[in-house]
Amino acid sequence: GENVEQHPSTLSVQEGDSAVIKCTYSDSASNYFPWYKQELGKRPQLIIDIRSNVGEKKDQRIAVTLNKTAKHFSLHITETQPEDSAVYFCAASSGRRALTFGSGTRLQVQP
Amino acid sequence: NAGVTQTPKFQVLKTGQSMTLQCAQDMNHNSMYWYRQDPGMGLRLIYYSASEGTTDKGEVPNGYNVSRLNKREFSLRLESAAPSQTSVYFCASSVSSGMGTGELFFGEGSRLTVL
Repeated sequence: GENVEQHPSTLSVQEGDSAVIKCTYSDSASNYFPWYKQELGKRPQLIIDIRSNVGEKKDQRIAVTLNKTAKHFSLHITETQPEDSAVYFCAASSGRRALTFGSGTRLQVQP
Repeated sequence: NAGVTQTPKFQVLKTGQSMTLQCAQDMNHNSMYWYRQDPGMGLRLIYYSASEGTTDKGEVPNGYNVSRLNKREFSLRLESAAPSQTSVYFCASSVSSGMGTGELFFGEGSRLTVL
């Protein structure tokens, strides 16, 4: 089955700096790559996703890039704000099975 | 519109006791899922139901059973709880026809402690 590895496990940045979280996946058939944000004590919520026919996708301050050859994808958050502090999960799916999630990155934005 | 509702939100069990986590969605979604979340291990899939009448094992199914009662409801049962099943459990649903390729809508989570 699919295996998704996520790094780093924790990330601390100053407000206004950029944050980058990286994930690798094992199944070359995977074609859907979402990112979820989970605030403390809350449920995970989708913030952005990308499909394999696209190399990059942006939504305001967040962007995701995908390198299918290397089987890795990344989340980029620019101009970080304290409300960006949360745990972020990457995930992957080939469309034949449910999503496989990475282990999560705890992002702390220092004011 | 309530989305995904799961009950109970908190439960404490003794080793060997049984319980059922209930989940219902009102979004007319086809697929439903049960995940468990443990510190440092992300969200791991226990069971899922691609559509009404079907269920499949996920990554960590041992010690659990599920029932897709109808299109709205998907329950998770622990027959004989063990301390290793102490976790936060999330139910989720999605509308996508391709498995795992659409947005997951999560419930608020159920925190289970097994003593």
